[in-house]
Amino acid sequence: EAGVAQSPRYKIIEKRQSVAFWCNPISGHATLYWYQQILGQGPKLLIQFQNNGVVDDSQLPKDRFSAERLKGVDSTLKIQPAKLEDSAVYLCASSLMGQVLDTQYFGPGTRLTVL
Amino acid sequence: EDKVVQSPLSLVVHEGDTVTLNCSYEVTNFRSLLWYKQEKKAPTFLFMLTSSGIEKKSGRLSSILDKKELFSILNITATQTGDSAVYLCARRTSYDKVIFGPGTSLSVIP
Repeated sequence: EAGVAQSPRYKIIEKRQSVAFWCNPISGHATLYWYQQILGQGPKLLIQFQNNGVVDDSQLPKDRFSAERLKGVDSTLKIQPAKLEDSAVYLCASSLMGQVLDTQYFGPGTRLTVL
Repeated sequence: EDKVVQSPLSLVVHEGDTVTLNCSYEVTNFRSLLWYKQEKKAPTFLFMLTSSGIEKKSGRLSSILDKKELFSILNITATQTGDSAVYLCARRTSYDKVIFGPGTSLSVIP
């Protein structure tokens, strides 16, 4: 089965610019997660969707970050405007139903560098 | 407070050595403990632990959970250079929130 797809794989922008990342989860997976992983740290959950509804966005910096999953399948994460501290790998993951015993499958990530 | 602590943060061993990685966690809303391996890209799933004292094994890797003392260990026997990676421990809450630790960076040298 195809895995979680993400694009682009790498992005370099200047501070105050905007950037968008795309994620396509594993077919049939209802739950989609966006994580931010800063170098040397574990992934931090930004937002979790169940189908097209938001389950948890408590750690999403809503003044500059936004995410949507309009049709309950693929998702986009946007940063506008970017700051230097946003440099990180942005990981997308999906799971079947978001149940406790479900396994999360991660995409390859998008490495963002903000100059 | 949501927190997952891993130790050591980094480790260098020789091929053939056995390593033990540690993970401790807060108890609030605990449902399961997860271990992932991350090699320069996305984390790949290793183990999910929900019950105390039951060891899970996959080849040279094994893991066990102690829900009384709130910790888990990941053992790797007869290490190989391909085991070099960051090993992430994560706690899953009853609200399906996954909280990751900082990871242990393991380097296996020939």
